[in-house]
Amino acid sequence: EAQVTQNPRYLITVTGKKLTVTCSQNMNHEYMSWYRQDPGLGLRQIYYSMNVEVTDKGDVPEGYKVSRKEKRNFPLILESPSPNQTSLYFCASSHKRSEGYTFGSGTRLTVV
Amino acid sequence: GENVEQHPSTLSVQEGDSAVIKCTYSDSASNYFPWYKQELGKGPQLIIDIRSNVGEKKDQRIAVTLNKTAKHFSLHITETQPEDSAVYFCGGGGATNKLIFGTGTLLAVQP
Repeated sequence: EAQVTQNPRYLITVTGKKLTVTCSQNMNHEYMSWYRQDPGLGLRQIYYSMNVEVTDKGDVPEGYKVSRKEKRNFPLILESPSPNQTSLYFCASSHKRSEGYTFGSGTRLTVV
Repeated sequence: GENVEQHPSTLSVQEGDSAVIKCTYSDSASNYFPWYKQELGKGPQLIIDIRSNVGEKKDQRIAVTLNKTAKHFSLHITETQPEDSAVYFCGGGGATNKLIFGTGTLLAVQP
């Protein structure tokens, strides 16, 4: 089944403790992206990647890192999480730029 | 920068009625406009999209219209059913590598 898989689905952590949210797609898509969803703000793009080793900032990149060492994987790294990063995170992928994204099921992160 | 505005933020309709959600975009170079449906506890799912060389697209009870001159596009759902209840997001992009979303519309279809 074609899908985007994120892990974990739920995560509670403490301020400053580094964490990684994994994302993997099995559709051989070139484009991958991370979004965060907050009430009243919709989906805001954090980072995106056009291909292996090619990444760029979205609209809200502060406090986040990404890497794209393999085509299928696009992990999101929070080096020093803060409470304002408490949010619902979605990974997404698409075959090309002007094409709809396939979204993962989301990761609900709480930073205390 | 690029911006997509979406209205209304909430919409309540009676089963069988039509629902319309509207979006405007700021980047005149945008050429791709998808619509997503997000059910509770799930990720957004693409339901329909339109490109800038087309003015209207239909898929059964769902249609999207695009007015490039005015830079706005709309989602139309006819004969609404309770299972249409969800949050709907519009998006705009294609000119750059970014896909910008609106803030979402919570649609409630009352049986």
